[in-house]
Amino acid sequence: DTGVSQDPRHKITKRGQNVTFRCDPISEHNRLYWYRQTLGQGPEFLTYFQNEAQLEKSRLLSDRFSAERPKGSFSTLEIQRTEQGDSAMYLCASSSTGGRQPQHFGDGTRLSIL
Amino acid sequence: AQTVTQSQPEMSVQEAETVTLSCTYDTSESDYYLFWYKQPPSRQMILVIRQEAYKQQNATENRFSVNFQKAAKSFSLKISDSQLGDAAMYFCAYRSALSGGSNYKLTFGKGTLLTVNP
Repeated sequence: DTGVSQDPRHKITKRGQNVTFRCDPISEHNRLYWYRQTLGQGPEFLTYFQNEAQLEKSRLLSDRFSAERPKGSFSTLEIQRTEQGDSAMYLCASSSTGGRQPQHFGDGTRLSIL
Repeated sequence: AQTVTQSQPEMSVQEAETVTLSCTYDTSESDYYLFWYKQPPSRQMILVIRQEAYKQQNATENRFSVNFQKAAKSFSLKISDSQLGDAAMYFCAYRSALSGGSNYKLTFGKGTLLTVNP
């Protein structure tokens, strides 16, 4: 169990650019979640995958955001035409099936928009 | 929609002393899960303790225990014999026990920053 891995740890980009983050879940976990955490706030849910299927998307996930999980393994989160308000920590978590199974979090990707 | 409230933005405790962090939540559901997560500065969020709502017995994990009051919708975390390594942001989180879709998401409070003084 190597834990949830996220890449990159930090991303600095200019407004208007596209960015892509990667998450590698714990290998036997079939559920994967993305959250966004802004300064002074708790994480907020963005989207959820079970295997390769994206089953839920928050209203926070505007049309500029897209997430994929090909083959039910790693996941990517892409933000197109970044805006200042996208600056945040993007957290990935995974869990196995079963109601009481906890979500295990990665270190997150901190996005800064110049 | 469920909400989670942590009314203490910051707390401090002396090393070896006991501290209690507060959390209240609002839900119309009868079955759910509650969690406390710890997020050290610039480090990974890790699970501290969890509680199933159908269980009356309060969960305990070593120095960490909870006081779960279902009727009052209260879920406080007690840290005994505080250690310097306990210093972190602590988040209370709620998850529905229902299956499907957004029920699997965690709803977090804003967090409580715990400082441990030597």
